[in-house]
Amino acid sequence: EIVLTQSPVTLSLSPGERVTLSCRASQSVGTHLAWYQQKPGQAPRLLIYDASRRTTGIPARFSGTGSGTDFTLTISSLEPEDFAVYYCQQRSTWPLTFGGGTKVEVK
Amino acid sequence: EVHLVESGGGLVQPGGSLRLSCAASGFTFSDYTMNWVRQAPGKGLEWIAYISSSGVIEYYADSMEGRFTISRDNVNNSLFLQMNSLRHEDTAVYYCARGIWDYWGQGALVTVSS
Repeated sequence: EIVLTQSPVTLSLSPGERVTLSCRASQSVGTHLAWYQQKPGQAPRLLIYDASRRTTGIPARFSGTGSGTDFTLTISSLEPEDFAVYYCQQRSTWPLTFGGGTKVEVK
Repeated sequence: EVHLVESGGGLVQPGGSLRLSCAASGFTFSDYTMNWVRQAPGKGLEWIAYISSSGVIEYYADSMEGRFTISRDNVNNSLFLQMNSLRHEDTAVYYCARGIWDYWGQGALVTVSS
């Protein structure tokens, strides 16, 4: 199975800061990678799929890049509602797998 | 508006069984693949199973294959997860998710405990 490693585990930031989250795959997933945001008590929300495609309704401050084994989710300027846990997911190979998550918390 | 609503969660003893349902509305259910995912308390996301739009093709996570079965009823717009031989470690919130994972249900809590 493909292992996804997210880093860092936790980020302490202030509103307005730029955020860069990393997801590294144990083998190539092409561009079959998605990013989710999850807030406490809520279901995850799809932000990005196919590595760089924003889902309908997701603000332009969220962007995804990468291919193969290295991927990045960038939030250009943190808004108060962006403090949450972010997960990556590969959809290249069965079984589908998720990364362990990165928590973006208020500094 | 798209809605996915899970039901059937609850408390079950180790070794017991439970059947989760996911009622879909607001879209043509038979056009979409579906998935089940779970999240143990305080933990990350774990994919469980996939089913094709027609129901012919199924895939499972290795740790759940043989104990869990995904199915669907395209007439009644419902997705199911039959869970057998439940273990303490199956305690989690179980979510159904549509197609490219753009819509998720609110989750159903399953607690496996004696």
